[in-house]
Amino acid sequence: DGGITQSPKYLFRKEGQNVTLSCEQNLNHDAMYWYRQDPGQGLRLIYYSQIVNDFQKGDIAEGYSVSREKKESFPLTVTSAQKNPTAFYLCASSIPGRYGYTFGSGTRLTVV
Amino acid sequence: DQQVKQNSPSLSVQEGRISILNCDYTNSMFDYFLWYKKYPAEGPTFLISISSIKDKNEDGRFTVFLNKSAKHLSLHIVPSQPGDSAVYFCAASVPSSGGSNYKLTFGKGTLLTVNP
Repeated sequence: DGGITQSPKYLFRKEGQNVTLSCEQNLNHDAMYWYRQDPGQGLRLIYYSQIVNDFQKGDIAEGYSVSREKKESFPLTVTSAQKNPTAFYLCASSIPGRYGYTFGSGTRLTVV
Repeated sequence: DQQVKQNSPSLSVQEGRISILNCDYTNSMFDYFLWYKKYPAEGPTFLISISSIKDKNEDGRFTVFLNKSAKHLSLHIVPSQPGDSAVYFCAASVPSSGGSNYKLTFGKGTLLTVNP
């Protein structure tokens, strides 16, 4: 079955450490996105990529970095510069046109 | 500045009754709107969408209404079922400025609880 896989589902990080969240899709979608969900804040866009080797900042990119070396993969690195990294992170992908997104099941990151 | 607003954080209805979830937007460039449903610790799933050239779209128990002059849309669920209990997100997009993929702007969500 095609879909988006995010791993791990739960992740704990010590303050000051970088951590990378994985997102892999086998839907052959061109575009991929990273969102962050906080209680009462909805979904906020961190980064997005419309094509391999290209990506753009979203609304809250500070403290995050991404790469898009393969069409299937769009990993997100949460750096030590991110002041409040504890959140639920969602990866999504889409095809050209108005078809909405397919989301992964999310990764909950907790800084301890 | 929040461009997509869901002013009701929560809504509670009885099984079998109608659920009405509301969404307002401020960006007049939005021309496509979607509703997503999300269960705890899972990713959102697409429910229904509507283009700005329409004022209504229906899919089974779900109907979305769009009032462009008021910059308002609503999702009606009839009849409501306990399995509909989830967070519902309203989302909107503008015409693409370059590529053919569209960024979505989401509201904060409304938690719907359907009581048996």
